[in-house]
Amino acid sequence: AQTVTQSQPEMSVQEAETVTLSCTYDTSESDYYLFWYKQPPSRQMILVIRQEAYKQQNATENRFSVNFQKAAKSFSLKISDSQLGDAAMYFCAYKSGYALNFGKGTSLLVTP
Amino acid sequence: GAGVSQSPSNKVTEKGKDVELRCDPISGHTALYWYRQSLGQGLEFLIYFQGNSAPDKSGLPSDRFSAERTGGSVSTLTIQRTQQEDSAVYLCASSFDRGINYEQYFGPGTRLTVT
Repeated sequence: AQTVTQSQPEMSVQEAETVTLSCTYDTSESDYYLFWYKQPPSRQMILVIRQEAYKQQNATENRFSVNFQKAAKSFSLKISDSQLGDAAMYFCAYKSGYALNFGKGTSLLVTP
Repeated sequence: GAGVSQSPSNKVTEKGKDVELRCDPISGHTALYWYRQSLGQGLEFLIYFQGNSAPDKSGLPSDRFSAERTGGSVSTLTIQRTQQEDSAVYLCASSFDRGINYEQYFGPGTRLTVT
């Protein structure tokens, strides 16, 4: 079974600064996808960024980028120029079949 | 277009009662998923529907939980004889197809509180 671990229950960042959220996973599969989802207090899960395991290039979406280290099974999320609206729970997720396997999440606080 | 919708938004029920949670997927999406998010936990997969195929129920925690999907669209998750440990947010998601590369779109969830 695949497991996803987020070792940081809470993180804090000042507005305009950069923060990195950590995620590791365990799998024996070679073909899979990795995701970061954002969950604000509204509970709506929003896809932030995705990474295909076969791609060596790290995915980037505007202020969000990942550091994907396949051999180390690490998938961290970097948020640049943090904004107050980035405050939320962030979940790392793994997918090799159809269901998503989620970590327990990291609560991100953004301070002015 | 419209996203995934769920109803009710919140539900409070007494221990031992049955509850039904509803999910309306995005039109045209053939795959539908239910997840449970308990306090302080990540999301836990419950059940998956793909078209008219038999659902994958491997994530259902007990036989008190069941789900159906009528006409390949709307889905209902039923919890019988609710227990306090059933209190959680129940999230529904849909995707265009079941392939590994298809994005899952989530609804806003139903917060269930069992008193």
